[in-house]
Amino acid sequence: GDSVTQMEGPVTLSEEAFLTINCTYTATGYPSLFWYVQYPGEGLQLLLKATKADDKGSNKGFEATYRKETTSFHLEKGSVQVSDSAVYFCALSAIQGAQKLVFGQGTRLTINP
Amino acid sequence: ETGVTQTPRHLVMGMTNKKSLKCEQHLGHNAMYWYKQSAKKPLELMFVYSLEERVENNSVPSRFSPECPNSSHLFLHLHTLQPEDSALYLCASSQEAWGGNEKLFFGSGTQLSVL
Repeated sequence: GDSVTQMEGPVTLSEEAFLTINCTYTATGYPSLFWYVQYPGEGLQLLLKATKADDKGSNKGFEATYRKETTSFHLEKGSVQVSDSAVYFCALSAIQGAQKLVFGQGTRLTINP
Repeated sequence: ETGVTQTPRHLVMGMTNKKSLKCEQHLGHNAMYWYKQSAKKPLELMFVYSLEERVENNSVPSRFSPECPNSSHLFLHLHTLQPEDSALYLCASSQEAWGGNEKLFFGSGTQLSVL
């Protein structure tokens, strides 16, 4: 079945460091890909998405490119801030049938000042 | 209020208790979802409702019973739970339940502890 694998956390960085969180997927067909973020005490919220190969999603300085050849959707940010501390979830959604977001296990990111 | 609201925020219950989780969305969406978030595990989809009709049931034990009386409200009725059911239960909504490109809006969740 469909699945998403994220890099193990937790990840701890200093402010202004470069961030990469790896995400790879297994799916039938060509799913849409998402990154969701969960700040402490809150629900998940959509950070960015890409719906077809080579699309780049971007938001709040974060970027991720849909790579069909490597089945990857890695999240990157050039200069992280303390306010980026959160748990990040990679997810895919099959385009057939009822909406089913399949999530990775989440990566906890802590940014130190 | 706007968005997706879940109550209660925290719930502690014994294995013989019966309780209910409530979710309300103020976004005019047609689809609602229950997810389970356990420590160090991926989020697990439990149920999907589209226009008050259940369209997905992901092999969830019968001790979890969902109810969707209208497109704005979703309940999860709990009875004779097990300690391993302790988790954060997240409600979400989207405009439609089909297509694969829908953005989900999540509530803050109910942190459930089963003693």
